Amino acid sequence: EADIYQTPRYLVIGTGKKITLECSQTMGHDKMYWYQQDPGMELHLIHYSYGVNSTEKGDLSSESTVSRIRTEHFPLTLESARPSHTSQYLCASRPGTGYGETQYFGPGTRLLVL
Amino acid sequence: AQKVTQAQTEISVVEKEDVTLDCVYETRDTTYYLFWYKQPPSGELVFLIRRNSFDEQNEISGRYSWNFQKSTSSFNFTITASQVVDSAVYFCALIENTGNQFYFGTGTSLTVIP
Repeated sequence: EADIYQTPRYLVIGTGKKITLECSQTMGHDKMYWYQQDPGMELHLIHYSYGVNSTEKGDLSSESTVSRIRTEHFPLTLESARPSHTSQYLCASRPGTGYGETQYFGPGTRLLVL
Repeated sequence: AQKVTQAQTEISVVEKEDVTLDCVYETRDTTYYLFWYKQPPSGELVFLIRRNSFDEQNEISGRYSWNFQKSTSSFNFTITASQVVDSAVYFCALIENTGNQFYFGTGTSLTVIP
């Protein structure tokens, strides 16, 4: 059973606001990921991290930033929210050892930008 | 180019029917891993199965079975005697041994009608 948490679960916010989506895992996994997904649609990789102080951009990263100061914590920040950011954001983690380990997903944050 | 293709966007079946979800992948690596995930309406992705490229044995887990064929680059998923609780979006994914990114298909939305 994976222990990965995301807060908030739901967020409604106005355009231009700065927001941070939290993701924490208690499994000691080195690798963590952020995906953006419209309901039932494909997943788009935003950012990923191999470990502390290591972050990489995915396909959809230009409007957000991440940090990885602690192994268990991988927050995603939108500096200025826009209606186009309305979506579900999924955080995932996986062990650093081995290449074929699965990702474990959090419950997601559903964001609505007005 | 899309590395993972799920050509079926939506499928509807009547309860107790069998249904097969198709997944075709593309990679030049000789070592890679394939996955299936289930995403129920609650939004969280649930890991179902992992297969490495050296193991072409089909697998059965209860009503679920998977058919991995390297010759056709396919990793199809069959649900036998479908139930309403099987209604979800199912994603196929690939990770190559040389990388850390998961490549997801666009998902197949399965509706099981009672």
